[in-house]
Amino acid sequence: AQTVTQSQPEMSVQEAETVTLSCTYDTSESDYYLFWYKQPPSRQMILVIRQEAYKQQNATENRFSVNFQKAAKSFSLKISDSQLGDAAMYFCACYAGGTSYGKLTFGQGTILTVHP
Amino acid sequence: GAGVSQSPSNKVTEKGKDVELRCDPISGHTALYWYRQSLGQGLEFLIYFQGNSAPDKSGLPSDRFSAERTGGSVSTLTIQRTQQEDSAVYLCASSPLRPAQETQYFGPGTRLLVL
Repeated sequence: AQTVTQSQPEMSVQEAETVTLSCTYDTSESDYYLFWYKQPPSRQMILVIRQEAYKQQNATENRFSVNFQKAAKSFSLKISDSQLGDAAMYFCACYAGGTSYGKLTFGQGTILTVHP
Repeated sequence: GAGVSQSPSNKVTEKGKDVELRCDPISGHTALYWYRQSLGQGLEFLIYFQGNSAPDKSGLPSDRFSAERTGGSVSTLTIQRTQQEDSAVYLCASSPLRPAQETQYFGPGTRLLVL
Protein backbone atom coordinates (compact mmCIF):
# COMPACT_ATOMS: atom_id res chain seq x y z
CA ALA A 1 0.00 0.00 0.00
CA GLN A 2 1.08 3.57 -0.47
CA THR A 3 0.36 6.92 1.10
CA VAL A 4 0.50 10.39 -0.41
CA THR A 5 0.67 13.56 1.67
CA GLN A 6 0.14 17.14 0.56
CA SER A 7 0.92 19.41 3.47
CA GLN A 8 -0.29 22.66 1.90
CA PRO A 9 -4.11 22.91 1.93
CA GLU A 10 -3.94 26.27 0.13
CA MET A 11 -1.39 28.24 -1.84
CA SER A 12 -1.53 31.52 -3.70
CA VAL A 13 0.60 33.14 -6.37
CA GLN A 14 0.64 36.34 -8.38
CA GLU A 15 0.04 36.06 -12.09
CA ALA A 16 3.32 35.54 -14.02
CA GLU A 17 5.17 34.38 -10.92
CA THR A 18 6.35 30.90 -9.91
CA VAL A 19 4.83 28.63 -7.29
CA THR A 20 5.82 25.23 -5.94
CA LEU A 21 3.36 22.69 -4.57
CA SER A 22 4.71 20.03 -2.21
CA CYS A 23 4.02 16.31 -2.09
CA THR A 24 5.58 13.43 -0.20
CA TYR A 25 4.75 9.78 -0.69
CA ASP A 26 5.54 6.39 0.71
CA THR A 27 5.49 3.04 -1.05
CA SER A 28 7.20 -0.29 -0.59
CA GLU A 29 7.17 -0.95 -4.32
CA SER A 30 10.30 -0.37 -6.39
CA ASP A 31 8.36 0.28 -9.59
CA TYR A 32 5.89 3.14 -9.34
CA TYR A 33 4.65 6.26 -11.07
CA LEU A 34 3.83 9.68 -9.73
CA PHE A 35 1.32 12.15 -11.10
CA TRP A 36 -0.02 15.63 -10.64
CA TYR A 37 -3.65 16.18 -11.57
CA LYS A 38 -5.49 19.50 -11.75
CA GLN A 39 -9.16 19.78 -10.83
CA PRO A 40 -10.81 23.11 -11.73
CA PRO A 41 -14.34 23.96 -10.48
CA SER A 42 -15.72 22.00 -13.44
CA ARG A 43 -14.67 18.83 -11.51
CA GLN A 44 -12.78 17.41 -14.50
CA MET A 45 -9.52 15.83 -13.34
CA ILE A 46 -6.86 16.86 -15.83
CA LEU A 47 -3.48 15.14 -16.01
CA VAL A 48 -0.75 17.75 -15.64
CA ILE A 49 2.44 15.70 -15.52
CA ARG A 50 3.72 12.19 -14.79
CA GLN A 51 7.03 10.81 -13.59
CA GLU A 52 8.35 7.27 -13.79
CA ALA A 53 10.25 6.38 -10.63
CA TYR A 54 13.01 4.64 -12.57
CA LYS A 55 13.84 7.85 -14.45
CA GLN A 56 16.26 10.21 -12.79
CA GLN A 57 15.43 13.11 -15.08
CA ASN A 58 12.67 15.37 -13.81
CA ALA A 59 9.59 15.52 -16.04
CA THR A 60 8.59 18.81 -17.65
CA GLU A 61 5.49 19.87 -19.59
CA ASN A 62 5.70 23.44 -20.83
CA ARG A 63 5.32 25.66 -17.73
CA PHE A 64 5.01 22.69 -15.40
CA SER A 65 7.97 20.79 -14.00
CA VAL A 66 8.61 18.47 -11.10
CA ASN A 67 11.40 18.08 -8.58
CA PHE A 68 11.55 14.33 -7.96
CA GLN A 69 13.71 13.42 -4.97
CA LYS A 70 13.49 9.62 -4.83
CA ALA A 71 15.51 9.08 -1.66
CA ALA A 72 13.47 11.68 0.19
CA LYS A 73 10.22 10.42 -1.39
CA SER A 74 9.38 13.93 -2.43
CA PHE A 75 7.60 15.00 -5.62
CA SER A 76 6.94 18.73 -5.88
CA LEU A 77 5.29 20.58 -8.76
CA LYS A 78 6.63 23.89 -10.01
CA ILE A 79 4.37 26.14 -12.05
CA SER A 80 6.25 28.91 -13.86
CA ASP A 81 4.72 32.07 -15.31
CA SER A 82 1.44 31.36 -13.50
CA GLN A 83 -1.75 32.14 -15.36
CA LEU A 84 -5.27 32.80 -14.12
CA GLY A 85 -6.33 29.51 -15.72
CA ASP A 86 -3.97 27.62 -13.42
CA ALA A 87 -6.28 28.30 -10.48
CA ALA A 88 -7.62 24.91 -9.36
CA MET A 89 -7.24 22.11 -6.83
CA TYR A 90 -4.04 20.15 -7.48
CA PHE A 91 -3.71 16.51 -6.49
CA CYS A 92 -0.55 14.48 -6.21
CA ALA A 93 -1.04 10.75 -6.87
CA CYS A 94 0.97 7.53 -6.84
CA TYR A 95 0.47 4.35 -8.87
CA ALA A 96 2.35 1.22 -7.82
CA GLY A 97 2.11 -2.51 -8.34
CA GLY A 98 1.81 -5.24 -5.78
CA THR A 99 -1.42 -5.32 -3.82
CA SER A 100 -2.25 -1.80 -4.98
CA TYR A 101 -2.13 -2.70 -8.65
CA GLY A 102 -4.64 -0.67 -10.63
CA LYS A 103 -5.23 1.96 -7.96
CA LEU A 104 -4.15 5.55 -7.85
CA THR A 105 -3.57 6.79 -4.31
CA PHE A 106 -4.23 10.52 -3.98
CA GLY A 107 -3.17 13.20 -1.58
CA GLN A 108 -5.71 15.53 0.00
CA GLY A 109 -5.11 18.27 -2.56
CA THR A 110 -3.84 21.84 -2.59
CA ILE A 111 -6.09 24.72 -3.62
CA LEU A 112 -4.12 27.13 -5.79
CA THR A 113 -5.32 30.73 -6.13
CA VAL A 114 -3.81 32.96 -8.80
CA HIS A 115 -4.04 36.71 -8.20
CA PRO A 116 -4.10 39.09 -11.18
CA GLY B 1 -11.11 11.75 -29.72
CA ALA B 2 -13.89 11.62 -27.15
CA GLY B 3 -12.93 11.48 -23.52
CA VAL B 4 -14.51 9.59 -20.65
CA SER B 5 -18.16 10.49 -20.27
CA GLN B 6 -20.38 10.08 -17.24
CA SER B 7 -24.10 10.44 -16.67
CA PRO B 8 -25.97 11.94 -15.07
CA SER B 9 -23.93 15.02 -14.29
CA ASN B 10 -25.90 15.60 -11.11
CA LYS B 11 -28.27 13.37 -9.18
CA VAL B 12 -30.46 14.22 -6.21
CA THR B 13 -32.18 11.34 -4.47
CA GLU B 14 -33.95 10.56 -1.25
CA LYS B 15 -32.44 8.45 1.47
CA GLY B 16 -33.24 4.78 0.93
CA LYS B 17 -33.61 4.97 -2.85
CA ASP B 18 -31.32 3.15 -5.31
CA VAL B 19 -29.22 5.06 -7.85
CA GLU B 20 -27.28 4.06 -10.96
CA LEU B 21 -24.34 6.01 -12.28
CA ARG B 22 -23.00 5.40 -15.76
CA CYS B 23 -19.50 5.63 -17.22
CA ASP B 24 -18.44 5.44 -20.86
CA PRO B 25 -14.66 4.96 -21.10
CA ILE B 26 -12.39 6.14 -23.88
CA SER B 27 -12.75 3.82 -26.86
CA GLY B 28 -10.14 1.07 -26.78
CA HIS B 29 -9.25 1.52 -23.12
CA THR B 30 -9.30 -1.84 -21.38
CA ALA B 31 -9.11 -0.67 -17.77
CA LEU B 32 -11.88 1.21 -15.96
CA TYR B 33 -11.88 2.64 -12.45
CA TRP B 34 -14.39 4.21 -10.07
CA TYR B 35 -13.38 6.69 -7.38
CA ARG B 36 -15.36 8.67 -4.82
CA GLN B 37 -14.54 12.23 -3.82
CA SER B 38 -16.23 13.51 -0.70
CA LEU B 39 -16.54 17.26 -0.15
CA GLY B 40 -13.10 18.90 -0.05
CA GLN B 41 -11.34 15.54 0.07
CA GLY B 42 -9.02 13.54 -2.12
CA LEU B 43 -10.17 10.63 -4.20
CA GLU B 44 -10.96 7.25 -2.70
CA PHE B 45 -10.61 4.14 -4.88
CA LEU B 46 -13.77 2.04 -5.20
CA ILE B 47 -13.39 -0.61 -7.92
CA TYR B 48 -11.19 -1.54 -10.89
CA PHE B 49 -12.02 -3.51 -14.05
CA GLN B 50 -9.37 -4.85 -16.42
CA GLY B 51 -10.59 -6.52 -19.58
CA ASN B 52 -12.51 -9.70 -18.84
CA SER B 53 -10.75 -10.36 -15.52
CA ALA B 54 -12.64 -10.42 -12.23
CA PRO B 55 -12.87 -6.85 -10.89
CA ASP B 56 -10.94 -5.62 -7.88
CA LYS B 57 -13.75 -4.64 -5.50
CA SER B 58 -11.53 -4.02 -2.50
CA GLY B 59 -12.44 -0.34 -2.25
CA LEU B 60 -16.22 -0.69 -2.13
CA PRO B 61 -17.30 0.71 1.27
CA SER B 62 -20.26 -1.61 1.84
CA ASP B 63 -22.36 -4.28 0.16
CA ARG B 64 -24.80 -1.56 -0.88
CA PHE B 65 -22.29 -0.65 -3.58
CA SER B 66 -21.85 -2.73 -6.71
CA ALA B 67 -20.59 -2.20 -10.24
CA GLU B 68 -20.81 -3.94 -13.56
CA ARG B 69 -19.01 -3.55 -16.83
CA THR B 70 -20.84 -4.87 -19.85
CA GLY B 71 -19.04 -5.97 -22.98
CA GLY B 72 -15.76 -4.60 -21.70
CA SER B 73 -16.93 -1.05 -22.24
CA VAL B 74 -19.69 0.83 -20.38
CA SER B 75 -19.82 0.53 -16.60
CA THR B 76 -22.63 1.13 -14.13
CA LEU B 77 -22.07 1.85 -10.44
CA THR B 78 -25.14 1.05 -8.37
CA ILE B 79 -25.76 2.26 -4.84
CA GLN B 80 -28.68 0.58 -3.09
CA ARG B 81 -30.61 2.06 -0.16
CA THR B 82 -28.64 5.31 -0.36
CA GLN B 83 -27.54 7.03 2.83
CA GLN B 84 -26.65 10.68 3.38
CA GLU B 85 -22.98 9.77 3.77
CA ASP B 86 -23.04 8.51 0.17
CA SER B 87 -23.27 12.14 -0.99
CA ALA B 88 -20.11 12.79 -2.99
CA VAL B 89 -18.74 13.17 -6.50
CA TYR B 90 -18.26 9.82 -8.20
CA LEU B 91 -15.46 9.87 -10.76
CA CYS B 92 -14.77 7.30 -13.43
CA ALA B 93 -11.44 6.88 -15.20
CA SER B 94 -10.06 4.65 -17.92
CA SER B 95 -6.63 3.69 -19.16
CA PRO B 96 -5.18 1.74 -22.07
CA LEU B 97 -3.47 -1.62 -21.62
CA ARG B 98 -0.41 -0.33 -23.39
CA PRO B 99 1.77 1.66 -23.47
CA ALA B 100 0.85 3.31 -20.18
CA GLN B 101 -1.84 1.54 -18.15
CA GLU B 102 -0.80 3.52 -15.11
CA THR B 103 -1.99 6.78 -16.68
CA GLN B 104 -5.68 7.22 -15.96
CA TYR B 105 -7.98 9.64 -17.77
CA PHE B 106 -10.95 10.92 -15.84
CA GLY B 107 -14.52 11.81 -16.70
CA PRO B 108 -16.31 14.90 -15.37
CA GLY B 109 -17.92 12.99 -12.52
CA THR B 110 -21.45 12.60 -11.18
CA ARG B 111 -22.36 14.71 -8.16
CA LEU B 112 -24.70 12.69 -5.94
CA LEU B 113 -26.73 14.36 -3.21
CA VAL B 114 -28.76 12.18 -0.86
CA LEU B 115 -31.43 14.08 1.04
